[in-house]
Amino acid sequence: KAGVTQTPRYLIKTRGQQVTLSCSPISGHRSVSWYQQTPGQGLQFLFEYFSETQRNKGNFPGRFSGRQFSNSRSEMNVSTLELGDSALYLCASSIGQGTGSYEQYFGPGTRLTVT
Amino acid sequence: AQSVTQLGSHVSVSEGALVLLRCNYSSSVPPYLFWYVQYPNQGLQLLLKYTSAATLVKGINGFEAEFKKSETSFHLTKPSAHMSDAAEYFCAVRSGGYQKVTFGTGTKLQVIP
Repeated sequence: KAGVTQTPRYLIKTRGQQVTLSCSPISGHRSVSWYQQTPGQGLQFLFEYFSETQRNKGNFPGRFSGRQFSNSRSEMNVSTLELGDSALYLCASSIGQGTGSYEQYFGPGTRLTVT
Repeated sequence: AQSVTQLGSHVSVSEGALVLLRCNYSSSVPPYLFWYVQYPNQGLQLLLKYTSAATLVKGINGFEAEFKKSETSFHLTKPSAHMSDAAEYFCAVRSGGYQKVTFGTGTKLQVIP
């Protein structure tokens, strides 16, 4: 099976711009979670989508949003970028329900740099 | 509420020595526990998981962890460190159901030749 893919892998944006990141989960997985990883804050949970519905949400401002499509692919959007949004954004997929749904499989991440 | 504490942000061991990375958790319900490894500029890779079956869990690359409810711990061990084990390790907890996963702050393992 193909793993979790994230595009693009690297991105440079300017303050005030917006950005959209994409994640394709493992085939058959219906849950997609997003995380922000920075040296200072570590791994912080952004949100989780399951069957096109947001199931969990972290403590991030409304500039961070996401969605999931019927094929389970997910996108996250960050509007009005700030320097502090520079981070590695990780996507993780899981089956999402039933036995064995609890472990997550991570993509390689998107490295976002805001200048 | 759930939380994870990893003791020691940096751990150094000699090649061939025992690796011990500590993780303590807090959960109001029986937890699901995980260890992940992250190599530079990569995503996280699942090493092993505890899901209420055996308390001693074996994972990939020779790692194992033991769930101790009385100590609320889930420490990661490997009998003999290899240079290739140098990476950052994350402990994570999920309090059952469909709760979000909470990660610890990570422990960077350095292996000295």
